[in-house]
Amino acid sequence: DVKVTQSSRYLVKRTGEKVFLECVQDMDHENMFWYRQDPGLGLRLIYFSYDVKMKEKGDIPEGYSVSREKKERFSLILESASTNQTSMYLCATNPAERTYNEQFFGPGTRLTVL
Amino acid sequence: AQSVAQPEDQVNVAEGNPLTVKCTYSVSGNPYLFWYVQYPNRGLQFLLKYITGDNLVKGSYGFEAEFNKSQTSFHLKKPSALVSDSALYFCAVRDMNRDDKIIFGKGTRLHILP
Repeated sequence: DVKVTQSSRYLVKRTGEKVFLECVQDMDHENMFWYRQDPGLGLRLIYFSYDVKMKEKGDIPEGYSVSREKKERFSLILESASTNQTSMYLCATNPAERTYNEQFFGPGTRLTVL
Repeated sequence: AQSVAQPEDQVNVAEGNPLTVKCTYSVSGNPYLFWYVQYPNRGLQFLLKYITGDNLVKGSYGFEAEFNKSQTSFHLKKPSALVSDSALYFCAVRDMNRDDKIIFGKGTRLHILP
């Protein structure tokens, strides 16, 4: 089974702090994604990556950056956390060779910015 | 632009009754359609997908979905609901003619009443 792990289940940070959210997958998938989930808004794509050192902006990239130095690891960075970034963050992955493949999700990180 | 709509924020069903969670979509080409389920404080789990072929798709936990091209719908169904089916359900669509991004609906919370 595909396993997608996220570094923290719950995280509390203060406004202005730099925040790192880590995602690691063990299935050698090329594609990795970061979403945020908010009530009534569903999942919104922040950034995604199709390969190492490659990144593409999603629908709401403002205030975020990403890093993919190794194939199995995709990091989401909040350069200066703000209260409106309080949310559930979900990492997902899927293989590249078939575009109809479903995505596999990690358990999520619930981030609170005070 | 591709989009997906889940017209109901919440659906209540008595245990043992059939359930339907509605989803409609809009894409420029042929759609790939997905249903995911999210249990409390967990990531999303894949339930089923439609790529091509038979319009009735069977998935995990006894769920099925019917693809209707003329109505651009992909409703999730189960003949007999269980209390354990209570969760948040997301419909998602990918346009065959675009890249690997999936668009998610806003989610429907399903309550199964004992």
